[in-house]
Amino acid sequence: GAGVSQSPSNKVTEKGKDVELRCDPISGHTALYWYRQSLGQGLEFLIYFQGNSAPDKSGLPSDRFSAERTGGSVSTLTIQRTQQEDSAVYLCATHKGASYNEQFFGPGTRLTVL
Amino acid sequence: AQTVTQSQPEMSVQEAETVTLSCTYDTSESNYYLFWYKQPPSRQMILVIRQEAYKQQNATENRFSVNFQKAAKSFSLKISDSQLGDTAMYFCAFMKQSNYGGSQGNLIFGKGTKLSVKP
Repeated sequence: GAGVSQSPSNKVTEKGKDVELRCDPISGHTALYWYRQSLGQGLEFLIYFQGNSAPDKSGLPSDRFSAERTGGSVSTLTIQRTQQEDSAVYLCATHKGASYNEQFFGPGTRLTVL
Repeated sequence: AQTVTQSQPEMSVQEAETVTLSCTYDTSESNYYLFWYKQPPSRQMILVIRQEAYKQQNATENRFSVNFQKAAKSFSLKISDSQLGDTAMYFCAFMKQSNYGGSQGNLIFGKGTKLSVKP
């Protein structure tokens, strides 16, 4: 596609349920990042993929959060046993290789945990 | 660790006037990139302007320009001839530069400034 896409656009879930958020990068973009945007907190880095490998997972807030990327393309962020504090907008960003520094963002998934 | 500070949570400006958004950062790195991103209500983050730290010349993109003061670790954004469509959250962001000149890792963001352009 022309840009980074994310699905679903909005997700409402009950506390304790698992959720999966999806990111489809721009074709050919090998680097992929997940960020979390909480109300009043700005954007926090979660995890970085280069191809299918995740050399930097330092931003994942707990072991309930995990992510994978397959075929160097689609990435899925999974949150297990969701808590109310997980409510946020989850943004995905990608860029071409490591020599290009502009990150292109998707529209995000707004997660609400009731 | 790097930090980015935006000291103005909210600002407003009249249409056609000029506004400056402030950003300071802290780093021990010598080589890095700085960015301003715009996030309208649609949530889509859009790159407004970027600056390579090794360049002394301030970046300019049409109505948007920066005042980059490396020694002071300051990176302000000036919007000239403000338009209603400029209403958005504006985020200042930092990224380390790798040894081979490319990006290295994630963006570090400030908390943002909410800009309202009034008719």
